[in-house]
Amino acid sequence: ETGVTQTPRHLVMGMTNKKSLKCEQHLGHNAMYWYKQSAKKPLELMFVYSLEERVENNSVPSRFSPECPNSSHLFLHLHTLQPEDSALYLCASSRRKSVLAGNEQFFGPGTRLTVL
Amino acid sequence: KQEVTQIPAALSVPEGENLVLNCSFTDSAIYNLQWFRQDPGKGLTSLLLIQSSQREQTSGRLNASLDKSSGRSTLYIAASQPGDSATYLCAVIDGANNLFFGTGTRLTVIP
Repeated sequence: ETGVTQTPRHLVMGMTNKKSLKCEQHLGHNAMYWYKQSAKKPLELMFVYSLEERVENNSVPSRFSPECPNSSHLFLHLHTLQPEDSALYLCASSRRKSVLAGNEQFFGPGTRLTVL
Repeated sequence: KQEVTQIPAALSVPEGENLVLNCSFTDSAIYNLQWFRQDPGKGLTSLLLIQSSQREQTSGRLNASLDKSSGRSTLYIAASQPGDSATYLCAVIDGANNLFFGTGTRLTVIP
């Protein structure tokens, strides 16, 4: 496997379910990101993890809980979601969380989430 | 807060035509600007990244320009092909490597 992979690719869940999205990067990067892409809205950054810092995003509801056990893996734990949380969830990674050259973000294929 | 706008939202052109996609942003204090391609239900593929010190970047039939002072970027696609059909996203990048995206332009190239 190369690049950034995400599982599952599609997920349908009820509002009372608990599920997790998984992201794995095989690029030796040290920063990972979760983005949400809703219909007709721009991609929104949800969370960032890096060696330098863990960035909390107070605008993201607590029903979304990130976990980054190591630099290669990133999870998004989902609990009591709402139908409006249905979206494409994209994971990305970069060498470092720095805007300097060589720290471009690479994206995974996404998980299409539907909340019933 | 940075806002990124892409016009038009959708565009259909016959094969072989040259075309221009537009991106504008409200805060000119950006570090880089990046153009992506997204196929239906898929992730993002980076096309071109323009650093703030540059005015344009070229890759094959693609040319992207950046005018920071006016808050604008364009993506020029030469001799369009049906395989170019996709959604094109523009993202501006701030000093913390945070990306701010537009809503995209959905391009259809008709054979």
